[in-house]
This record gives sequence, structure tokens and C-alpha cells, in this order.
Amino acid sequence: AQSVTQPDIHITVSEGASLELRCNYSYGATPYLFWYVQSPGQGLQLLLKYFSGDTLVQGIKGFEAEFKRSQSSFNLRKPSVHWSDAAEYFCAVGRNYGGSQGNLIFGKGTKLSVKP
Amino acid sequence: DAGVIQSPRHEVTEMGQEVTLRCKPISGHNSLFWYRQTMMRGLELLIYFNNNVPIDDSGMPEDRFSAKMPNASFSTLKIQPSEPRDSAVYFCASSFDRGRDEQYFGPGTRLTVT
Repeated sequence: AQSVTQPDIHITVSEGASLELRCNYSYGATPYLFWYVQSPGQGLQLLLKYFSGDTLVQGIKGFEAEFKRSQSSFNLRKPSVHWSDAAEYFCAVGRNYGGSQGNLIFGKGTKLSVKP
Repeated sequence: DAGVIQSPRHEVTEMGQEVTLRCKPISGHNSLFWYRQTMMRGLELLIYFNNNVPIDDSGMPEDRFSAKMPNASFSTLKIQPSEPRDSAVYFCASSFDRGRDEQYFGPGTRLTVT
């Protein structure tokens, strides 16, 4: 069965520092992978996605993620964190239904706090 | 586009009452998803529609929960009777039914059952 693991429940970084959020997945085929961000009281917003091709994908707000098949990982990175990046981040793997995107399996999320 | 619209944004009800949550997907999207988010269980898919037809309802907790999609622009999630353990944030999301499109989430409905 598909699953997504985000091993860090809560991370605190200083503003301006680099960030890496970890995500490991379990999926029997080539996965569709996503990172979403959720600000307090809001819905989820897509940061970036990977379907195929270049394993380093760029997203919005200066985020990037690298797909590593050998490690079953899709870690999210940002070189310099801003206070506005404080939010909860969710990694998700897409499950196919007959070749079309089906539902997403979400990780438990990583809450990011940013110190001034 | 206004995005995915959900109503109400907040709902407080007493145990045993019927609750109806509403969702309007983004125009042109033909896949619609209902999720539930709690601290304990995180984000869970409840049900998934494609072209107004339920495809996967394996996440619906029990018979008290039902969902309908009478047309491409409207869906409801009903809980009858509601219980305190149903308290959660319920999200609706929609997408194109193509292999490379992400899901767009609504702002959610925060349900409190007392």
C-alpha cells in the first residue's frame, strides 16, 4: 500500500537559514509527488509537483524538491527561509486510477516555525 | 476564478443533529475530493468523484456519512446523526482528470459537534 512518511513533526529554523524538510514514500510504481503548504486556518496550496523528467523541481516561493528514486525520497528545500514561510508542510503521493490522477496520500505534515 | 468554494466555513452543532457541508469546485474540473483533517489522523480522503460519479468511498467512516454530486458544480457531504468525534476540518478539493494536474483545495469547513 502507498504511504508517505514525514519524519519531522516540528522544525524550527532561524530566518535566513536554509531549510530541508524530509519526505519518504512507499509506492509500487513511478509516483506522482507533491508538496503542499498550509497556513493557519487556510486550505492547502501546492508548492511544487513531480511527475517525470528532471528530478530537481522548482516551485513557488523559492522552494525546490529533489526526487531520489533510490532513496524513495522527495525532500523539500529552500536556501533562505523567510518569516512568512512559517506554516505546515505536507508531502503527498498520487495514486493512479487507470492512468489518471486519483486521490493523494498525505504525510502527517511538518510544522515549520521561523525564529527572527 | 474564485477557486474551490466551501460553505459554511464554521459549523457548530449538537450531537445527533444533521450536518450538511457544501462544495463548489473550480469550473471545468471534473474530479472532486472530500478530505477530513484532525490532529490525530492528519488528512484523510473520505470520497472521490470523477465526472459526478463516486469512484472511491472507502474512506467514508461509516453509514452516518454520505456524499453526493448531483452536477459538475456542486457537491455535499452529509453527516446524520453527527457525533462529537466527527469534529474536524473538512476540505473539498478539485482537479482536472488528467495525469498531471494537482488538486486545488478549498478553505475548509471547521465542524464542531458538542
